[in-house]
Amino acid sequence: NAGVMQNPRHLVRRRGQEARLRCSPMKGHSHVYWYRQLPEEGLKFMVYLQKENIIDESGMPKERFSAEFPKEGPSILRIQQVVRGDSAAYFCASSPVGFTEALHSSFEAFFGQGTRLTVV
Amino acid sequence: GQQLNQSPQSMFIQEGEDVSMNCTSSSIFNTWLWYKQDPGEGPVLLIALYKAGELTSNGRLTAQFGITRKDSFLNISASIPSDVGIYFCAGPPNTDKLIFGTGTRLQVFP
Repeated sequence: NAGVMQNPRHLVRRRGQEARLRCSPMKGHSHVYWYRQLPEEGLKFMVYLQKENIIDESGMPKERFSAEFPKEGPSILRIQQVVRGDSAAYFCASSPVGFTEALHSSFEAFFGQGTRLTVV
Repeated sequence: GQQLNQSPQSMFIQEGEDVSMNCTSSSIFNTWLWYKQDPGEGPVLLIALYKAGELTSNGRLTAQFGITRKDSFLNISASIPSDVGIYFCAGPPNTDKLIFGTGTRLQVFP
């Protein structure tokens, strides 16, 4: 059973270009979460998606950032017109059910290996 | 917003020693998850806790869900070099998103 797969592992973009980060959840998981991590810091929540729906995007900047999780295919985190400050590691996690649906008794989330974005 | 504070921020210990770290929240949590992150890798789930007072073990790791539901503890017994990494607590504070603590960086010397 493959884990959460993210690609690419490393991505270099020039300022002003677009970055597309992909996340394939674990088999049977329909919930995806994206996080951002700066060096020497913790993971900051960005967005939570269920198949075809954005559930919570409270941690995602309103401009230049967007996320989707289509019915078929991986979840995509898209950053338009990247700037140097976007350089970070971006992680996604997946879970089989949401916390509320799990009724607090079995919520677990598993992470991918991340995409390291460098903006030059 | 919600915040999870972990302490200590970093630890430098000798191989074979036991380690204790904790995580405190400003609000009640119904689930606590403990993760370990190695350099350049994603967080790996170590232990999940679901009930106040619950004590759960995974090999040399033991975690406890605090009675007040505002804290959790992780202990590592007889540390070894591969325990090196950053340990994060995390939880969903009555919402469907998982928030992370500030992390405890562990260094083990032979």
